[in-house]
Formats: sequence, structure tokens, C-alpha cells
Amino acid sequence: KQEVTQIPAALSVPEGENLVLNCSFTDSAIYNLQWFRQDPGKGLTSLLLIQSSQREQTSGRLNASLDKSSGRSTLYIAASQPGDSATYLCAVKNQGGKLIFGQGTELSVKP
Amino acid sequence: GAVVSQHPSWVICKSGTSVKIECRSLDFQATTMFWYRQFPKQSLMLMATSNEGSKATYEQGVEKDKFLINHASLTLSTLTVTSAHPEDSSFYICSANLSGDEQYFGPGTRLTVT
Repeated sequence: KQEVTQIPAALSVPEGENLVLNCSFTDSAIYNLQWFRQDPGKGLTSLLLIQSSQREQTSGRLNASLDKSSGRSTLYIAASQPGDSATYLCAVKNQGGKLIFGQGTELSVKP
Repeated sequence: GAVVSQHPSWVICKSGTSVKIECRSLDFQATTMFWYRQFPKQSLMLMATSNEGSKATYEQGVEKDKFLINHASLTLSTLTVTSAHPEDSSFYICSANLSGDEQYFGPGTRLTVT
């Protein structure tokens, strides 16, 4: 059974810092991996999608990497801003098409 | 990008009543939609996979007679919580696949059962 773990559960940083969020998964037979952002009481916004054959994806200040063999992904946020404060969720899609989510990392960027 | 809407965004109902939540894909057709539940400070848990024109596939531990799913068209799936109880209070989110890869999520429905 696929399990997805995110570390840390919560993170508080001052504005301008670069930071890394971690995601690990137990079964490397994934179809893709997606990083989402969720604001309190809201739905999910897709940030980056990495196919199983890819190593990384970049969008603006965000960079996500994938190491399928070790079951790890990282989300790198450069020059963090208060507007980046949210919960970040990692999810892997298995071969059956289902998304399995991690518990999320609650990020707070202080001005 | 693809847009998924949900209605209502929040609902309060009395214990024992039923509540219907709609999920629509606004600018694309979705043969498959997914329903998730999220408790406070927890992650999303997949409840069921909704397939257009056929029965939904429920995850282990989810009561199919309590959470009725209907996917009558390529743009609409509904989740009906029957005989709701306070423990059913949660945040319900639907999603749909676009071209089999990226999943797009609705804004969620906050259900409170009193």
C-alpha cells in the first residue's frame, strides 16, 4: 500500500529565505507526482506536475525534483514571500489513476 | 487552465437529513471524477471514483449507501450524503482529470451537520 509522508509538518521562515519541503513515498511504481497548494478553507491549486520519467519541473520561484528510485521529491521555494504562506501537499498517482496524498506541510512566511 | 466548480460552497444541515453536493467541470469533459474528504488539519482521503454512465468505485471503509454518487453527464458528478450525522461534518472536495495526467480540484464544500 502506497504511503506518502511529508516533512516537516510545519515550517516558519522569515521573508526572503529559500526553503525546501520534503515528500517521500513507499512504492516507486508511480505514474506521476504532483505538488499542490491549499489555502485555509479552500480547494487545491496545482503547482507542479512531474511525470515518472522526469527528474524535475520548474515554475517561477518553484522547483520540484523527483527521485523515483529512492522514493523522494522535494519542492524548493526561492526568495519566499508572505503570500507563499499556505499548506503544501504532495500527491503521487499510482498506475490505477488514484492520487495518494501526504499530510502536508503548513508554511508560514513572516514579513 | 481547467476549471472545476462545486456547489454549494458551504452547507449546514440537521442530523438525519440528506445533502447533495455538485461537482462540475466547466470547460472540459470528464469521464472520471474523484471525491475526497478532508478533516481539519488532515490530508485528503479519497472516498470514491465517479465514472460517467456507470457505478462509482468506493474506497475501502466508505459506505456506498451513505455516500451516493451519480455521474450522469460528462460535466457533472453529484455526491449525496444520506441521513447525515455530526461525524459526517467535513470538507468535501472533488477533482477531475484532464487528458489523464493533471488533476484539477474544485474549491470544496464545507458540510456542517448539527
